[in-house]
Amino acid sequence: AQTVTQSQPEMSVQEAETVTLSCTYDTSESDYYLFWYKQPPSRQMILVIRQEAYKQQNATENRFSVNFQKAAKSFSLKISDSQLGDAAMYFCAYRSAIGNEKLTFGTGTRLTIIP
Amino acid sequence: NAGVTQTPKFRVLKTGQSMTLLCAQDMNHEYMYWYRQDPGMGLRLIHYSVGEGTTAKGEVPDGYNVSRLKKQNFLLGLESAAPSQTSVYFCASRRSDTQYFGPGTRLTVL
Repeated sequence: AQTVTQSQPEMSVQEAETVTLSCTYDTSESDYYLFWYKQPPSRQMILVIRQEAYKQQNATENRFSVNFQKAAKSFSLKISDSQLGDAAMYFCAYRSAIGNEKLTFGTGTRLTIIP
Repeated sequence: NAGVTQTPKFRVLKTGQSMTLLCAQDMNHEYMYWYRQDPGMGLRLIHYSVGEGTTAKGEVPDGYNVSRLKKQNFLLGLESAAPSQTSVYFCASRRSDTQYFGPGTRLTVL
C-alpha cells in the first residue's frame, strides 16, 4: 500500500523569504500523480500544484514549485516570496495512475508566515 | 459556477441519530468522493462513485452509506451516529487526475 510522509508538523518563514516543505512517499508503482493541497483556516482544500510521475520536469505555478526526485521518492514544495496569505496547512497527496481511486494524504505541515 | 458545495456546514448530533450530508457539483464530473479529516491526520476516503448509480467503498466505509442517484449529487448517510464519527467531512469531484474539494462539514456527535 502507498504511504505518504510529511516529517515536518510545523514550519515557519519570514515574509518574502523562501521555504521548502518536505514530502516522501512509498510505492511500487511507476506511474502516478502527486499533489500539494493547501488548507487555510477556512478549511477549504485548495490544489496548489500537481506533478505527473512520468514527467521529469518539475511543476511550477507562479511562486510555487516542486522538487520531484522519483528515484528517491521525494516531492518537496518550495514557496518563494512567502506572503501572509500562504499561512495554512499543506498536505502532500499521492494517487495511482491506474485503477485505484484512492488519494492518499500525508499528515500535513502547518506553515506560519512571520511578518 | 459554484464548483463543489456541501450542505450543511455544521451539525451536532446525539449518539444514535441519523443524518445525510449532501454534496453537489456543477462541473459535470463523473467521479465523486467522500473523505473524513481527523486531527493530526490527512484525509481518509470513506466512499466514492465513478458515475451515476454507482458507489464503492473506500478506506474507512464502516458506519456510512452513500447514494449517487443523480450525476451532480453524492449523498453521505449516517444511520446511527457514534462519537467516533465526529470529524470534518469533505466531498470532492474529479476531472482527469485532479480532485476538487468542497468547503467541508463539521460534524459533532455527542
